[in-house]
Amino acid sequence: EVQLVESGGGLVQPGGSVRLACAASGFTVSSSYMTWVRQAPGKGLEWVSVIYSGGNTYYADSVQGRFTISRHDSKNTMYLHMNSLRAEDTAVYYCATMTDPSYYYALDVWGQGTTVTVSS
Amino acid sequence: DIVLTQSPGTLSLSPGERATLSCKASQSVNSKFLAWYQQKAGQAPGLLIYGASSRAAGIPDRFSGSGSGTDFTLTISRLEAEDFAVYFCQQYGRSPSFGQGTKLEIK
Repeated sequence: EVQLVESGGGLVQPGGSVRLACAASGFTVSSSYMTWVRQAPGKGLEWVSVIYSGGNTYYADSVQGRFTISRHDSKNTMYLHMNSLRAEDTAVYYCATMTDPSYYYALDVWGQGTTVTVSS
Repeated sequence: DIVLTQSPGTLSLSPGERATLSCKASQSVNSKFLAWYQQKAGQAPGLLIYGASSRAAGIPDRFSGSGSGTDFTLTISRLEAEDFAVYFCQQYGRSPSFGQGTKLEIK
């Protein structure tokens, strides 16, 4: 079964850092298109970052220069390193992937989400 | 960046009725790269439609997608109790983006 499990969320002070992890099972992270999507409380979905199978990475303007997406192939895990955190980064962070290439990058598998709260 | 605007913000309908949700893009979107998701309270989103009109695996045929260019539509032909949720469109080009969502509530 294809599954994604996020971890690493919690309460962080403004200006602080946190690393989120997304552990995958049932498929290989290094061969996949992997994304992070976030949802602020009571708000809609916001695309955050993507890492392609070839290693190329892209970021939303709102996190560019502060967040870094990466993966650890032997652990079959993707990460989101979040620095210089702001109150507006408070959200549920989901990792998601496309498991069927015919889906043209639509996200058909999502994790359950991990909550990051930025507050003093 | 492409902005997706969904309407209406909230749609109040009864089970058995037909729902029509709109997603308009600020510039043309390749239909291959337009998707719809359903999100129920407290849950992660789930993929409904990809490529503007193709149903994802396991999605009932009462869900259909259509459109091209800047105008896309999600139609639910006969609403069932489990369909009342929030729906998001997404374009997944170089800089992906989501619409703000349409809440489908029971009238």
